[in-house]
Amino acid sequence: DTGVSQDPRHKITKRGQNVTFRCDPISEHNRLYWYRQTLGQGPEFLTYFQNEAQLEKSRLLSDRFSAERPKGSFSTLEIQRTEQGDSAMYLCASSYGTSHNSPLHFGNGTRLTVT
Amino acid sequence: KNQVEQSPQSLIILEGKNCTLQCNYTVSPFSNLRWYKQDTGRGPVSLTIMTFSENTKSNGRYTATLDADTKQSSLHITASQLSDSASYICVVSEGNAGNMLTFGGGTRLMVKP
Repeated sequence: DTGVSQDPRHKITKRGQNVTFRCDPISEHNRLYWYRQTLGQGPEFLTYFQNEAQLEKSRLLSDRFSAERPKGSFSTLEIQRTEQGDSAMYLCASSYGTSHNSPLHFGNGTRLTVT
Repeated sequence: KNQVEQSPQSLIILEGKNCTLQCNYTVSPFSNLRWYKQDTGRGPVSLTIMTFSENTKSNGRYTATLDADTKQSSLHITASQLSDSASYICVVSEGNAGNMLTFGGGTRLMVKP
């Protein structure tokens, strides 16, 4: 399967703990995006990489959130000192090229539950 | 503020029937409009992408329309199947602003036998 892969699929953690999610995009895709989605809502943009450069961050991305894409391939999203409000589905997507008409390919997400 | 509004929020139809989902947006400047299908517990999957000059685009039993003047789009599903049960999300891309995509809240469709 050469689609976008996210790990883990599910994560349950206690409030105050740190969690890290991984995304492996489609191999030739230079753009990588992180979104957060809560039940019954559309995805909300968190951050975006072109190759290894983080080009844009949403105001939703508080200082407890950090994302990296060190070699321009896989990416990690870390949440420090998790809060119950962080419970959501975290989606990763990738695309190829410089045109913003390129389709986004989404992974199946990591569902985070903070207890 | 850029917004994408979808209606209805949810819809139940019988297998074999047609349905139309609506999307209104205020995103400006406009770059493109996308429809995604999202099965429960899965990531969204692209159905169509339409640019300013495209009025209609089909993908199998799915037909999307775009009226850039009124800033409205619709997604028509023909001869619905049980596997069409999913959320359908309208996404508008803002031009000249890099990556900015504005997502609608989705329409949750249930197709019953």
